[in-house]
Amino acid sequence: EAGVAQSPRYKIIEKRQSVAFWCNPISGHATLYWYQQILGQGPKLLIQFQNNGVVDDSQLPKDRFSAERLKGVDSTLKIQPAKLEDSAVYLCASSLGPGGEETQYFGPGTRLLVL
Amino acid sequence: AQSVTQLGSHVSVSEGALVLLRCNYSSSVPPYLFWYVQYPNQGLQLLLKYTSAATLVKGINGFEAEFKKSETSFHLTKPSAHMSDAAEYFCAVSPGGGYNKLIFGAGTRLAVHP
Repeated sequence: EAGVAQSPRYKIIEKRQSVAFWCNPISGHATLYWYQQILGQGPKLLIQFQNNGVVDDSQLPKDRFSAERLKGVDSTLKIQPAKLEDSAVYLCASSLGPGGEETQYFGPGTRLLVL
Repeated sequence: AQSVTQLGSHVSVSEGALVLLRCNYSSSVPPYLFWYVQYPNQGLQLLLKYTSAATLVKGINGFEAEFKKSETSFHLTKPSAHMSDAAEYFCAVSPGGGYNKLIFGAGTRLAVHP
């Protein structure tokens, strides 16, 4: 079974530029998550989708970050404009359903460096 | 609000020694608890999870963890460390209910010396 796919793996941009990340979850997984992992910290949830609907985006900086999951399968996360503090690893995860006991499966992440 | 505290950002053990990584949580409702491992430049991989069945949970690669409600702890152990266990370990709590938001600790980096 294929895992969660993410691209690109690495991205270097200058501040105020825009960037987009792509995620393809495990086939059949209805729930998709985007996490931000800053160096030296644990991952922090940015947004959670159930199929193509948003169920939690309380920690998403909506003035610069946006995400969509059209057709309830793959997803894109965009940052526009980027700030220095956005340098982090962006992890995508998916699970069969939204229940608290469900295992989340993580992709390899996209490492973003903002100069 | 739920939170997770991992005591010790760095732990160093000798190969063959006991591994003990500490995790304490706070939760107003019975939680679901997880341990994930992260190898360099990789995503997180589930080691084990507690979902209110047995309090002693066995995971992959010889790891296990015990849920202790009275101590609000979920420490991760392995009887004998292997060089390949060197990685970063994250404890996480999910508040349960309808939606599965994982709240992670800051992580513990495990080093294993020959």
